[in-house]
Amino acid sequence: AQSVAQPEDQVNVAEGNPLTVKCTYSVSGNPYLFWYVQYPNRGLQFLLKYITGDNLVKGSYGFEAEFNKSQTSFHLKKPSALVSDSALYFCAVRGASGGSYIPTFGRGTSLIVHP
Amino acid sequence: SAVISQKPSRDICQRGTSLTIQCQVDSQVTMMFWYRQQPGQSLTLIATANQGSEATYESGFVIDKFPISRPNLTFSTLTVSNMSPEDSSIYLCSVELGANTDTQYFGPGTRLTVL
Repeated sequence: AQSVAQPEDQVNVAEGNPLTVKCTYSVSGNPYLFWYVQYPNRGLQFLLKYITGDNLVKGSYGFEAEFNKSQTSFHLKKPSALVSDSALYFCAVRGASGGSYIPTFGRGTSLIVHP
Repeated sequence: SAVISQKPSRDICQRGTSLTIQCQVDSQVTMMFWYRQQPGQSLTLIATANQGSEATYESGFVIDKFPISRPNLTFSTLTVSNMSPEDSSIYLCSVELGANTDTQYFGPGTRLTVL
């Protein structure tokens, strides 16, 4: 079975500071990894994904994530946070082949960026 | 990506009634998915809808409660039947896109409140 852990329910950061939202996963074989963002009263927006290749993946709105196979992690990062980044962030994983092609989502991490 | 719309965006319904949610995509897609996001929770997959076949329901969800239609490659509906307050959730449709249909993209969601 595949699973995702987002160990922090909430992350607080000051505007202009770097941010990290943590995600670890468990899946059989190679993973496909995803980050989504949900603004209040909105659906999920795709941010970025890791399928293969470079471990550092760049996505929308200046976000990036680093795939670390040995630590089974895929942490979301941004060098300089904006107040408008405040939202709910979901990490998701699915297997690259075999098993379930349906992604499993983490519980979500609320990011609050303070002015 | 694709443009995915849902109707209605929100509704308040009485216990025992039914609500049909529509999902429209601006391109043809093979797989469409329906998720539920209960307050403060992550996403739970209700069912997968393929055009021309019966929907595949996840454990804990049944067709009598959540009938799904998929009449063509750009449209699907989810009905929430005989509603109770426990059905109050955000309902999200999603589609698979990407070079290998490896990424899910979500509609804006339907916020349902059952009184």
